[in-house]
Parts: sequence; structure tokens; C-alpha cells
Amino acid sequence: NAGVTQTPKFQVLKTGQSMTLQCAQDMNHNSMYWYRQDPGMGLRLIYYSASEGTTDKGEVPNGYNVSRLNKREFSLRLESAAPSQTSVYFCASSESRGLGGYTFGSGTRLTVV
Amino acid sequence: AQSVTQPDIHITVSEGASLELRCNYSYGATPYLFWYVQSPGQGLQLLLKYFSGDTLVQGIKGFEAEFKRSQSSFNLRKPSVHWSDAAEYFCAVEHAGKSTFGDGTTLTVKP
Repeated sequence: NAGVTQTPKFQVLKTGQSMTLQCAQDMNHNSMYWYRQDPGMGLRLIYYSASEGTTDKGEVPNGYNVSRLNKREFSLRLESAAPSQTSVYFCASSESRGLGGYTFGSGTRLTVV
Repeated sequence: AQSVTQPDIHITVSEGASLELRCNYSYGATPYLFWYVQSPGQGLQLLLKYFSGDTLVQGIKGFEAEFKRSQSSFNLRKPSVHWSDAAEYFCAVEHAGKSTFGDGTTLTVKP
């Protein structure tokens, strides 16, 4: 089925470890996004990529880096994980920035101990 | 700055009853408006969207929403709720490439 695929679905990290969250979409969308979802804080944008070759900071970029590898793939990297980064991470895509609504992946539940 | 308010954190309705979830936005112009649904352990799924034109929009799963410019509202409705509608619902606005999500309303459906 067409959509957004995120890996892994679950991850436990120790403080200071690094990891990369992978995201791929097969809808030929131009724009891709990384959000984190925390109880009582809603969805907050970490980084986005309006088109292939571009990335920009969102609301909460500190502690994260991203790579738009090609039109399909957009990865999120935690260089040195902290307990404050314990969250559920969602990747999303859209035809272009803002138009048509977003298609979301099923999320990565990350726990940093 | 644009903002989205979902006044009801939690709503409980009986199966078969009607449903209305409220959404108010704060922005000078008319933004693009969306409703999403999130089932436990899942990502958000787009229910419907409003860009322009007819202020009553139909979505998937039997949902509809009405845009009221005078009230800056975009309320979600369903005439008869099913147990499978229990989920969290998010209203979102988009303007000039920036999306803002509400904090969500959790819907519980009583048998």
C-alpha cells in the first residue's frame, strides 16, 4: 500500500547513544516532515524538507539533524540522545508544503534511559 | 502567530449518538483547514480538508466539517457515532507553508 514507512517502530537508547530514524514515502511527494508527539504538548515540528535538496528547522530542532537523501527518503538523527528526547516521532509527507494535507507514518516510539 | 484551539480535551458519547468536535483558529486570513484522526499506536490519518468554496466539506468514515468564517471555527461532525470512532482527533491549520496542530480531543464511545 502506498504511504509513509518509518523504521524502527520501537527503540530504547541509553543517554549519549546515537541513532537514525528512517522514513520513506512512495507517493512522489515533494515535502517531508519530522514531528514529535508528547503528552500535553501536541505535535511539534522538528525539521522539514520542502523539496529534495532542502531542509529547514522547525519549532524544536535542538539535538537533531536531518538528511533528505533523495525525494523518497528523509532521515532524522539523534547524535547524543537525552532523556528529554523520549517521545513518539512521526514522519509525514505532502505534495508540497501545506497543500492537500499530510500523510503520516505509524511512528517510532523512542525511550532514552 | 496562528493558533488552533480545541476546547474539549475529552468527549464521551454513546454509540449511535451524534458528535460535534470543536475547533477554533486564530488567523487574519482564511487558512487551509484539516481534521485528522489518530487511533492508539498509529499515525494521524487525514479525515477531511477545506481550502475554499463550499463551507460544508465531506470526509472519510462519514465525517463532515463546516467552516464558519464569522466564528473562525471548523467543527467536525458525525450524525451517528460507531464504537470504532473512538480515537484522538486533531484540527490543523496551514498558512504560508506553516502548519499548526491543535492539542487534540479524545473521543470515548460508550456502548
